[in-house]
Amino acid sequence: GENVEQHPSTLSVQEGDSAVIKCTYSDSASNYFPWYKQELGKRPQLIIDIRSNVGEKKDQRIAVTLNKTAKHFSLHITETQPEDSAVYFCAASIKNNDMRFGAGTRLTVKP
Amino acid sequence: DAGVIQSPRHEVTEMGQEVTLRCKPISGHDYLFWYRQTMMRGLELLIYFNNNVPIDDSGMPEDRFSAKMPNASFSNLKIQPSEPRDSAVYFCASSFRDYGYTFGSGTRLTVV
Repeated sequence: GENVEQHPSTLSVQEGDSAVIKCTYSDSASNYFPWYKQELGKRPQLIIDIRSNVGEKKDQRIAVTLNKTAKHFSLHITETQPEDSAVYFCAASIKNNDMRFGAGTRLTVKP
Repeated sequence: DAGVIQSPRHEVTEMGQEVTLRCKPISGHDYLFWYRQTMMRGLELLIYFNNNVPIDDSGMPEDRFSAKMPNASFSNLKIQPSEPRDSAVYFCASSFRDYGYTFGSGTRLTVV
């Protein structure tokens, strides 16, 4: 089955700096790659996703890139704010089924 | 839409007791997923349904775990008998076709 590796496990940045989280996946058939944000004690929430026919997608301060050849994808957050502090999960699946999540990255944005 | 609704929000039970977790997916969604989240193992897929039919239950840890989806608006996850190592947050999520998941608020289960 699919195996998703996520790095780093923790990330601390200064407010205004950029943050990058990287994931790799094992199953070349995977074609859907969402990112979720989970604040303490709350549910994971979808923040952005990308499909395998697209190399990059951007939504305001958040962007995701996908390299299918290397089987890795990344989340980029620019101009970070304290409210960006949370645990971020990447995931991979074939279509939307059987989604496997990375172990998560705890992002702390220091004011 | 009220989103994915899970109940109860918190459950504390004694070892050996039966536990039932409930989920109401978003109306119109055709996929329903049960996940378990722990610090050690992260988010683990337990089972998922498509149009109320179980598709993959390979993530269900043991025979003590069972899940059903009798209709499009309800699913439950049962643990019988419960054990302390079952303590975790259990999330239900639903989706429409191949769009992103919407998670419920989760049930925090503590087995003492």
